[in-house]
Amino acid sequence: QQPVQSPQAVILREGEDAVINCSSSKALYSVHWYRQKHGEAPVFLMILLKGGEQKGHDKISASFNEKKQQSSLYLTASQLSYSGTYFCGTETSNFGNEKLTFGTGTRLTIIP
Amino acid sequence: SAVISQKPSRDICQRGTSLTIQCQVDSQVTMMFWYRQQPGQSLTLIATANQGSEATYESGFVIDKFPISRPNLTFSTLTVSNMSPEDSSIYLCSVDMGVRGYTFGSGTRLTVV
Repeated sequence: QQPVQSPQAVILREGEDAVINCSSSKALYSVHWYRQKHGEAPVFLMILLKGGEQKGHDKISASFNEKKQQSSLYLTASQLSYSGTYFCGTETSNFGNEKLTFGTGTRLTIIP
Repeated sequence: SAVISQKPSRDICQRGTSLTIQCQVDSQVTMMFWYRQQPGQSLTLIATANQGSEATYESGFVIDKFPISRPNLTFSTLTVSNMSPEDSSIYLCSVDMGVRGYTFGSGTRLTVV
């Protein structure tokens, strides 16, 4: 089953913060986050592995709560370049034949 | 991370015909993945292509409709056969780079008329 993301869409002014949530019905080994701009392929942002870690770079960070099978992406002091659709991707194991299942997506629009 | 060249970037095809999409990776990879993304939707995995074995298809996708070839560790093709307007979508190939995430080709935007 596909992970569910919330919110489905959000509009922010430049400089505001956003949180995007990803929830799975399955036990997870890892969570990926991607950003896709219109007409382009998804671009990898970060991966979080089983162990309940938090990662980040620049003003984008994420957390992973494996007990709740949830992950959150945090965007602080948003910039115009952050606009796009964000997808989480989940893996349920680290076996060699594992596949990545993408979430429902969150469209983020940053306005000046 | 890997660089993937995917072509064609877009095509408009007549219903009932077939289109073959190619992906070339600049390094050897064990598995390649083919996704479909319908307008405004998320990515749906079509199949996983391993070199030297039959591709593994996800529920709802069959080999007769989406035959895949994987002749070596850097190349794969996906054919969309006997197309109908419902096949209009973006098709993406990708590879798993481990902790560096998945890298995607630039996508093929297919319109069936």
